[in-house]
Amino acid sequence: QVQLVQSGAEVKKPGASVKVSCKASGYSFPNFAIHWMRQAPGQRLEWMGWINPATTVTKYAQKFQGRLTITRDTSASTSDMQLNNLRSEDTAVYYCARDRGGTSQGDDASDFWGLGTMVTVSS
Amino acid sequence: DIQMTQSPSTLSASVGDRVTITCRASQSFNYWLAWYQLKPGKAPKLLIHKASSLQSGVPSRFSGSGSGTEFTLTISSLQPDDSATYYCQQHNMYPYTFGQGTRLEIK
Repeated sequence: QVQLVQSGAEVKKPGASVKVSCKASGYSFPNFAIHWMRQAPGQRLEWMGWINPATTVTKYAQKFQGRLTITRDTSASTSDMQLNNLRSEDTAVYYCARDRGGTSQGDDASDFWGLGTMVTVSS
Repeated sequence: DIQMTQSPSTLSASVGDRVTITCRASQSFNYWLAWYQLKPGKAPKLLIHKASSLQSGVPSRFSGSGSGTEFTLTISSLQPDDSATYYCQQHNMYPYTFGQGTRLEIK
């Protein structure tokens, strides 16, 4: 069965970087884009970007340009999300999710999600 | 950015009730809209994609409709397990955006 297993909770200081990992199993990893979303406390879900695991092509929300890097390791079926220069507003649960489209273009809904990784930014 | 506005923000209904959640978009688009169910401690669940297509494995009491700027999620006969927060998402234009959520409580 399709599973996305994320790395554990993180506590970071302002200005630091965080890397969250997402390990996929149960399907052909290169064939489906991976999206990253987040949800800050009391806020709506927020889409951050996606990666095409086959080509490493990425698309980021403009809000995160310059601070966000999404990568993948096809040999390990993992995608990593790194966010730099953290501020308190980045405190959120971060999710990875599989694009259901099967074209690796990141243009469809997300059909399988991880459980989320809590990232706390605090001095 | 396309702004997505859901209504109501909270909803309380009884088992067996028919409930409808509306999602309005600030710009018109055809059908690149999805509905998700979120429960604490669980992975978010895709319910509806392409505005009206039921995701595999999702009970048939869930349905979606709409196009343009107004979309709806309907639960035909509410079950206790449906207590959750529901979100719409447009993936027609970058950045993909979500509604603010509708918290559904079972009376």
